Amino acid sequence: QVQLQESGPGLVKPSQTLSLTCTVSGGSISSGDYYWSWIRQPPGKGLEWIGYIYYSGSTYYNPSLKSRVTISVDTSKNQFSLKLSSVTAADTAVYYCAREGSPNYFDYWGQGTLVTVSS
Amino acid sequence: SYELTQPLSVSVALGQTARITCGGNNIGSKNVHWYQQKPGQAPVLVIYRDSNRPSGIPERFSGSNSGNTATLTISRAQAGDEADYYCQVWDSSTLFGGGTKLTVL
Repeated sequence: QVQLQESGPGLVKPSQTLSLTCTVSGGSISSGDYYWSWIRQPPGKGLEWIGYIYYSGSTYYNPSLKSRVTISVDTSKNQFSLKLSSVTAADTAVYYCAREGSPNYFDYWGQGTLVTVSS
Repeated sequence: SYELTQPLSVSVALGQTARITCGGNNIGSKNVHWYQQKPGQAPVLVIYRDSNRPSGIPERFSGSNSGNTATLTISRAQAGDEADYYCQVWDSSTLFGGGTKLTVL
């Protein structure tokens, strides 16, 4: 059974960089069968896809966030990470990591981690 | 840019059939996926590729997609089906509908 777990600071100051890591267990990121995504959900609002990474390191980002987003992968640790720069209060959200199957659906999700942007 | 439209809320009597729609321009030509999200929990995939159920999802959940509307149908609705439901497609980027709150009366 595949499991994903997000980790990282729960509080980030405005203008700083949000950094999160997703650890995958029960399956290998390097299998090449899936993409690995980040999705967020502001409190009381809907879901927003941030972007995905393939085990090779190729990425694809939501155009609305592309200028501020970097997703990377560490296959040796079976982890992938998110960096979101120049954060504002609008970036306060629960951040989920998820496995993306073909075609483009999310079959396994982490439990989510709340990141609050505040001074 | 492509947009998905869902009703904010749908109500259904216990044991009856609920239908949640997801509207989009020619959405019938796209693969539509559906997620169930209960309060404080991560979303769960309930339908993928229009009408396919992942293992562990009851047969009461079904999906269809044609023209400009995709529909998630929940038969014999139970109290445990109360949740937010989101549709999702790919159109140059992954897009989610705004979500529909299902209330079981």
